[in-house]
Amino acid sequence: NAGVTQTPKFRILKIGQSMTLQCTQDMNHNYMYWYRQDPGMGLKLIYYSVGAGITDKGEVPNGYNVSRSTTEDFPLRLELAAPSQTSVYFCASRSVSGTEAFFGQGTRLTVV
Amino acid sequence: DAKTTQPNSMESNEEEPVHLPCNHSTISGTDYIHWYRQLPSQGPEYVIHGLTSNVNNRMASLAIAEDRKSSTLILHRATLRDAAVYYCILRDAHGSSNTGKLIFGQGTTLQVKP
Repeated sequence: NAGVTQTPKFRILKIGQSMTLQCTQDMNHNYMYWYRQDPGMGLKLIYYSVGAGITDKGEVPNGYNVSRSTTEDFPLRLELAAPSQTSVYFCASRSVSGTEAFFGQGTRLTVV
Repeated sequence: DAKTTQPNSMESNEEEPVHLPCNHSTISGTDYIHWYRQLPSQGPEYVIHGLTSNVNNRMASLAIAEDRKSSTLILHRATLRDAAVYYCILRDAHGSSNTGKLIFGQGTTLQVKP
């Protein structure tokens, strides 16, 4: 059972570079979320989506963009990476009628 | 989103029960109480949730105060594998706000001693 898959697992970026964090789920979940977690802190919601073609900002959206062209995929785009974006990024999904959110294993990003 | 308050850290001995408290004095009538935990170097995982009544599952029990302003996650026999950060989260299950967003606080870091 794949669940929520995030790639890559680790990445080092230089300041000003851009990249896309990939997230895919095989559970046909409508709801998907992106979080970031700084060391010793709880998770902060960046963006979320309630279905293909619909996205909305979370608590900390600045510096990020998302798209949701299919139910399965919810990529997170970083433009002009900054050291403040050094963090661990988690993707999650949930069904409309379900209670439990399923999280990926995370992407550890370092911006130097 | 209603806020929750949890102790920063707690310690327990292996094979003893653990009671993890959570205060949510501004909870609304449609807020469900969810608990997730995050093992080291992993994403959060669902533990349990409830609305008004106490709940039990294979992982834990959830005791909810009668006025719903607080709740307690109970691990009946802590093991070393239960060492994690435990998050208490409120989620509104109704209306246009039902996007399933989970807003995380700092959580409680549970240490389990052998």
